[in-house]
Amino acid sequence: AQKVTQAQTEISVVEKEDVTLDCVYETRDTTYYLFWYKQPPSGELVFLIRRNSFDEQNEISGRYSWNFQKSTSSFNFTITASQVVDSAVYFCALSEGYSGAGSYQLTFGKGTKLSVIP
Amino acid sequence: DVKVTQSSRYLVKRTGEKVFLECVQDMDHENMFWYRQDPGLGLRLIYFSYDVKMKEKGDIPEGYSVSREKKERFSLILESASTNQTSMYLCASSSGAGRDYNEQFFGPGTRLTVL
Repeated sequence: AQKVTQAQTEISVVEKEDVTLDCVYETRDTTYYLFWYKQPPSGELVFLIRRNSFDEQNEISGRYSWNFQKSTSSFNFTITASQVVDSAVYFCALSEGYSGAGSYQLTFGKGTKLSVIP
Repeated sequence: DVKVTQSSRYLVKRTGEKVFLECVQDMDHENMFWYRQDPGLGLRLIYFSYDVKMKEKGDIPEGYSVSREKKERFSLILESASTNQTSMYLCASSSGAGRDYNEQFFGPGTRLTVL
């Protein structure tokens, strides 16, 4: 069965520090997708990134970067020079399967609450 | 601009009432989902639908039912609300599946309190 683990329940950093949010996944499939979502205090989940299992290139988008390593089944998320607006709960998620009900679903980790202190 | 809307942000109901939560998307997505979110438990899938009139059980379907009569609308029904159904309910939609899986877009959520 697929599983996503976000071991860090809560993290606090001071503004301008870098912070890495960890995500470890389990799957038996060779084709799968990984996602990161942000949930600010307003409550609405915001999509950040999708990565498929065939593309291990790291990605950078402004202050955000993602490190995908199949060898360790990890898809970690780093925020550089954190800002107060980065305070949110961040979820890592996995989808897998070619067909059937599982191919539509996302399995979410329990989330990491990030607090950026001014 | 992609949009998923939910009928209420906050809802208070009494035990035993029948409760309808409505979700509408304007992206012509085939797939729609209902989750509940509880502290320490993350997001758990209740039901999803991959086409009009089609539905599939998620991880925690007990006590819930759904209806999808039109492509853009997906309703979650609590047949007889109970206090343990007090939660945040999130609706999402997406296109594709399997190899062509695309990200889910979420609505703002409905915080339901059952007294």
